[in-house]
Amino acid sequence: GENVEQHPSTLSVQEGDSAVIKCTYSDSASNYFPWYKQELGKRPQLIIDIRSNVGEKKDQRIAVTLNKTAKHFSLHITETQPEDSAVYFCRRADTGNQFYFGTGTSLTVIP
Amino acid sequence: GAVVSQHPSRVICKSGTSVKIECRSLDFQATTMFWYRQFPKQSLMLMATSNEGSKATYEQGVEKDKFLINHASLTLSTLTVTSAHPEDSSFYICSARDLTSEAFFGQGTRLTVV
Repeated sequence: GENVEQHPSTLSVQEGDSAVIKCTYSDSASNYFPWYKQELGKRPQLIIDIRSNVGEKKDQRIAVTLNKTAKHFSLHITETQPEDSAVYFCRRADTGNQFYFGTGTSLTVIP
Repeated sequence: GAVVSQHPSRVICKSGTSVKIECRSLDFQATTMFWYRQFPKQSLMLMATSNEGSKATYEQGVEKDKFLINHASLTLSTLTVTSAHPEDSSFYICSARDLTSEAFFGQGTRLTVV
């Protein structure tokens, strides 16, 4: 199956620092951009999403930004905490019926 | 958010046997369900997309005769791994789509073939 280009694949940060993960897309008609968090052995959970009519959305320490010109969207986590350690996925935001996910980023927050 | 229940959460089976995994949307009607396979610390690889009442659409490289998908109702989809082999051991997870663009996940099934 197809996956979405997502970078970086692994990311380690010190507690309190920020983490940024980026996904790129190709379909200009894309209009919905979600991010998921998956803790070890658990199901992915939607943590934040954004629609194409908005450039940025923030929810406490988590934000998502969208650059429609460059066709990429990013997840920003500020003031990271050990419980933020998980695998994060974006989802391909095309207009089709298939739901393809990004290749994943394993985030480790070092206490 | 909507609730998707997947069962069993863990299963160990002998090589050559078949295993059925169920995925249920508990509080909404899921016209589309997705089945994924996930290796440790890797991405969710889409195996197939199933729409209620019609045949599943399989991704390239996924054997439809080995991974049988049935989506008989708006709340239930099943994945049957037929003639399982050790290389089929993996984490399988389903997802159901509601009327919006959102996807809700089951808790996943850890399959071990011995």
